[in-house]
Amino acid sequence: EAQVTQNPRYLITVTGKKLTVTCSQNMNHEYMSWYRQDPGLGLRQIYYSMNVEVTDKGDVPEGYKVSRKEKRNFPLILESPSPNQTSLYFCASSFTEQHEAFFGQGTRLTVV
Amino acid sequence: AQKVTQAQTEISVVEKEDVTLDCVYETRDTTYYLFWYKQPPSGELVFLIRRNSFDEQNEISGRYSWNFQKSTSSFNFTITASQVVDSAVYFCALSERNTGTASKLTFGTGTRLQVTL
Repeated sequence: EAQVTQNPRYLITVTGKKLTVTCSQNMNHEYMSWYRQDPGLGLRQIYYSMNVEVTDKGDVPEGYKVSRKEKRNFPLILESPSPNQTSLYFCASSFTEQHEAFFGQGTRLTVV
Repeated sequence: AQKVTQAQTEISVVEKEDVTLDCVYETRDTTYYLFWYKQPPSGELVFLIRRNSFDEQNEISGRYSWNFQKSTSSFNFTITASQVVDSAVYFCALSERNTGTASKLTFGTGTRLQVTL
Protein backbone atom coordinates (compact mmCIF):
# COMPACT_ATOMS: atom_id res chain seq x y z
CA GLU A 1 0.00 0.00 0.00
CA ALA A 2 1.33 3.42 -0.98
CA GLN A 3 1.84 5.48 2.11
CA VAL A 4 3.74 8.07 4.05
CA THR A 5 4.49 7.04 7.62
CA GLN A 6 5.25 9.49 10.37
CA ASN A 7 6.31 8.67 13.88
CA PRO A 8 5.42 9.38 16.56
CA ARG A 9 1.78 10.43 16.19
CA TYR A 10 1.79 12.26 19.49
CA LEU A 11 4.68 13.68 21.47
CA ILE A 12 4.93 15.78 24.59
CA THR A 13 8.40 17.02 25.41
CA VAL A 14 10.16 19.67 27.43
CA THR A 15 11.86 22.79 26.21
CA GLY A 16 15.36 22.18 24.96
CA LYS A 17 15.22 18.41 24.66
CA LYS A 18 16.25 17.39 21.17
CA LEU A 19 13.75 15.34 19.25
CA THR A 20 13.32 13.77 15.82
CA VAL A 21 10.12 13.07 13.96
CA THR A 22 10.61 10.40 11.35
CA CYS A 23 8.99 10.28 7.93
CA SER A 24 9.20 7.47 5.43
CA GLN A 25 7.54 6.93 2.04
CA ASN A 26 7.35 3.80 -0.10
CA MET A 27 6.43 5.37 -3.44
CA ASN A 28 9.92 6.24 -4.67
CA HIS A 29 8.99 9.92 -4.69
CA GLU A 30 11.62 12.54 -5.38
CA TYR A 31 10.00 15.41 -3.50
CA MET A 32 9.41 15.40 0.23
CA SER A 33 8.45 18.18 2.56
CA TRP A 34 7.45 19.08 6.09
CA TYR A 35 4.59 21.36 7.11
CA ARG A 36 3.25 22.68 10.33
CA GLN A 37 -0.42 23.40 10.79
CA ASP A 38 -1.55 26.05 13.24
CA PRO A 39 -5.06 27.46 13.78
CA GLY A 40 -5.76 30.34 11.44
CA LEU A 41 -2.45 29.94 9.62
CA GLY A 42 -3.14 26.89 7.49
CA LEU A 43 -0.25 24.70 6.43
CA ARG A 44 3.15 26.32 6.27
CA GLN A 45 6.10 24.64 4.66
CA ILE A 46 9.13 24.16 6.90
CA TYR A 47 11.63 22.42 4.64
CA TYR A 48 11.52 20.54 1.39
CA SER A 49 13.78 18.21 -0.52
CA MET A 50 13.85 17.48 -4.22
CA ASN A 51 16.18 14.51 -3.91
CA VAL A 52 18.80 12.80 -1.78
CA GLU A 53 21.15 15.32 -0.18
CA VAL A 54 19.18 18.24 -1.66
CA THR A 55 17.13 20.23 0.84
CA ASP A 56 15.92 23.80 0.99
CA LYS A 57 14.12 26.10 3.37
CA GLY A 58 10.41 26.64 3.19
CA ASP A 59 8.55 29.54 4.75
CA VAL A 60 9.18 28.76 8.43
CA PRO A 61 12.52 26.92 8.78
CA GLU A 62 13.78 28.56 11.98
CA GLY A 63 14.37 26.06 14.75
CA TYR A 64 14.22 23.01 12.49
CA LYS A 65 16.66 20.82 10.64
CA VAL A 66 16.15 18.08 8.11
CA SER A 67 18.25 15.52 6.30
CA ARG A 68 17.73 13.41 3.22
CA LYS A 69 20.33 10.66 3.24
CA GLU A 70 18.03 8.15 1.62
CA LYS A 71 15.26 8.73 -0.87
CA ARG A 72 12.56 7.22 1.30
CA ASN A 73 13.33 9.00 4.58
CA PHE A 74 13.07 12.65 5.53
CA PRO A 75 13.34 13.18 9.29
CA LEU A 76 12.52 16.47 10.96
CA ILE A 77 14.87 17.44 13.78
CA LEU A 78 14.22 19.96 16.51
CA GLU A 79 17.58 20.54 18.18
CA SER A 80 16.21 22.66 21.01
CA PRO A 81 12.41 22.70 20.95
CA SER A 82 10.55 25.69 22.30
CA PRO A 83 6.87 26.13 23.21
CA ASN A 84 6.20 28.08 19.99
CA GLN A 85 6.95 24.88 18.10
CA THR A 86 3.89 23.25 19.61
CA SER A 87 1.93 22.36 16.50
CA LEU A 88 0.56 19.66 14.23
CA TYR A 89 3.23 18.49 11.79
CA PHE A 90 2.73 16.79 8.45
CA CYS A 91 5.22 15.10 6.20
CA ALA A 92 4.37 14.76 2.51
CA SER A 93 5.85 13.20 -0.59
CA SER A 94 5.18 13.49 -4.33
CA PHE A 95 6.92 12.85 -7.63
CA THR A 96 7.67 16.55 -7.84
CA GLU A 97 6.20 19.60 -6.15
CA GLN A 98 3.86 19.89 -9.13
CA HIS A 99 2.25 16.54 -8.50
CA GLU A 100 -0.30 15.29 -6.03
CA ALA A 101 1.15 15.15 -2.52
CA PHE A 102 0.61 12.20 -0.22
CA PHE A 103 0.55 13.16 3.43
CA GLY A 104 1.42 11.30 6.56
CA GLN A 105 -1.11 11.07 9.36
CA GLY A 106 0.41 13.94 11.27
CA THR A 107 2.39 14.35 14.48
CA ARG A 108 0.92 16.41 17.26
CA LEU A 109 3.82 17.92 19.17
CA THR A 110 3.51 19.72 22.48
CA VAL A 111 6.53 21.47 23.96
CA VAL A 112 6.15 22.49 27.61
CA ALA B 1 6.58 35.58 -3.90
CA GLN B 2 3.71 33.21 -4.33
CA LYS B 3 0.65 33.60 -2.17
CA VAL B 4 -2.71 31.91 -1.75
CA THR B 5 -5.68 33.62 -0.16
CA GLN B 6 -8.77 31.86 1.10
CA ALA B 7 -10.79 34.72 2.47
CA GLN B 8 -13.62 32.56 3.79
CA THR B 9 -12.55 31.27 7.17
CA GLU B 10 -15.70 29.34 7.89
CA ILE B 11 -18.88 28.55 5.96
CA SER B 12 -22.02 26.88 7.28
CA VAL B 13 -24.66 25.48 4.98
CA VAL B 14 -27.63 23.20 5.27
CA GLU B 15 -27.46 19.87 3.52
CA LYS B 16 -28.36 19.95 -0.17
CA GLU B 17 -27.30 23.56 -0.56
CA ASP B 18 -24.63 24.42 -3.10
CA VAL B 19 -21.51 26.08 -1.73
CA THR B 20 -18.49 27.72 -3.35
CA LEU B 21 -15.11 27.98 -1.70
CA ASP B 22 -12.97 30.81 -3.02
CA CYS B 23 -9.26 30.70 -3.73
CA VAL B 24 -7.24 33.62 -5.07
CA TYR B 25 -3.56 33.26 -5.81
CA GLU B 26 -0.57 35.43 -6.65
CA THR B 27 2.42 34.36 -8.69
CA ARG B 28 4.89 35.93 -11.06
CA ASP B 29 5.34 32.75 -13.04
CA THR B 30 3.44 31.90 -16.16
CA THR B 31 3.70 28.20 -15.39
CA TYR B 32 2.29 27.05 -12.10
CA TYR B 33 0.09 24.41 -10.54
CA LEU B 34 -2.95 24.73 -8.34
CA PHE B 35 -4.36 22.16 -5.95
CA TRP B 36 -7.24 21.56 -3.60
CA TYR B 37 -6.95 19.33 -0.54
CA LYS B 38 -9.56 18.22 1.95
CA GLN B 39 -8.96 17.71 5.67
CA PRO B 40 -11.91 15.91 7.28
CA PRO B 41 -12.40 15.92 11.06
CA SER B 42 -10.23 12.80 11.31
CA GLY B 43 -7.27 15.00 10.38
CA GLU B 44 -5.72 13.41 7.31
CA LEU B 45 -5.10 15.47 4.18
CA VAL B 46 -6.70 14.20 0.99
CA PHE B 47 -5.86 15.35 -2.52
CA LEU B 48 -8.83 16.50 -4.58
CA ILE B 49 -7.55 18.10 -7.77
CA ARG B 50 -4.49 19.46 -9.58
CA ARG B 51 -4.62 22.00 -12.38
CA ASN B 52 -1.76 23.53 -14.38
CA SER B 53 -1.77 27.12 -15.53
CA PHE B 54 -2.21 26.24 -19.18
CA ASP B 55 -5.37 24.27 -18.63
CA GLU B 56 -8.27 26.62 -17.96
CA GLN B 57 -10.93 24.05 -18.58
CA ASN B 58 -13.32 23.72 -15.72
CA GLU B 59 -13.51 20.31 -14.16
CA ILE B 60 -16.42 18.37 -12.73
CA SER B 61 -16.16 15.26 -10.61
CA GLY B 62 -19.49 14.12 -9.31
CA ARG B 63 -20.81 16.83 -7.00
CA TYR B 64 -17.49 18.68 -7.08
CA SER B 65 -16.52 21.25 -9.69
CA TRP B 66 -13.65 23.66 -10.08
CA ASN B 67 -13.60 26.97 -11.89
CA PHE B 68 -10.14 28.21 -12.90
CA GLN B 69 -9.94 31.78 -14.16
CA LYS B 70 -6.50 33.18 -14.91
CA SER B 71 -7.94 36.62 -15.58
CA THR B 72 -8.94 36.92 -11.94
CA SER B 73 -6.25 34.59 -10.52
CA SER B 74 -8.91 32.43 -8.97
CA PHE B 75 -9.44 28.71 -8.61
CA ASN B 76 -12.79 28.27 -6.93
CA PHE B 77 -14.31 25.04 -5.74
CA THR B 78 -18.04 24.33 -5.77
CA ILE B 79 -19.85 21.53 -4.02
CA THR B 80 -23.30 20.88 -5.40
CA ALA B 81 -26.00 19.45 -3.15
CA SER B 82 -23.70 19.41 -0.14
CA GLN B 83 -23.77 16.52 2.30
CA VAL B 84 -22.77 16.18 5.93
CA VAL B 85 -19.75 14.13 4.84
CA ASP B 86 -18.44 17.21 3.03
CA SER B 87 -17.80 18.86 6.39
CA ALA B 88 -14.07 19.46 6.47
CA VAL B 89 -11.38 22.06 6.12
CA TYR B 90 -10.49 22.69 2.49
CA PHE B 91 -7.10 24.00 1.43
CA CYS B 92 -6.08 25.57 -1.83
CA ALA B 93 -2.38 25.40 -2.74
CA LEU B 94 0.00 26.78 -5.37
CA SER B 95 3.29 25.52 -6.75
CA GLU B 96 5.42 27.32 -9.28
CA ARG B 97 7.29 25.54 -12.00
CA ASN B 98 10.59 23.91 -11.22
CA THR B 99 13.29 26.11 -12.75
CA GLY B 100 16.31 24.15 -11.64
CA THR B 101 15.69 23.94 -7.96
CA ALA B 102 12.49 22.62 -6.49
CA SER B 103 9.76 25.09 -5.77
CA LYS B 104 7.82 25.60 -2.62
CA LEU B 105 4.24 24.51 -2.26
CA THR B 106 2.22 27.29 -0.67
CA PHE B 107 -1.10 26.64 1.03
CA GLY B 108 -3.91 29.00 1.85
CA THR B 109 -5.18 29.26 5.39
CA GLY B 110 -8.09 26.96 4.66
CA THR B 111 -11.88 27.23 4.72
CA ARG B 112 -13.80 25.25 7.27
CA LEU B 113 -17.06 23.97 5.79
CA GLN B 114 -19.80 22.85 8.13
CA VAL B 115 -22.76 21.06 6.57
CA THR B 116 -25.72 20.49 8.85
CA LEU B 117 -28.95 18.56 8.46
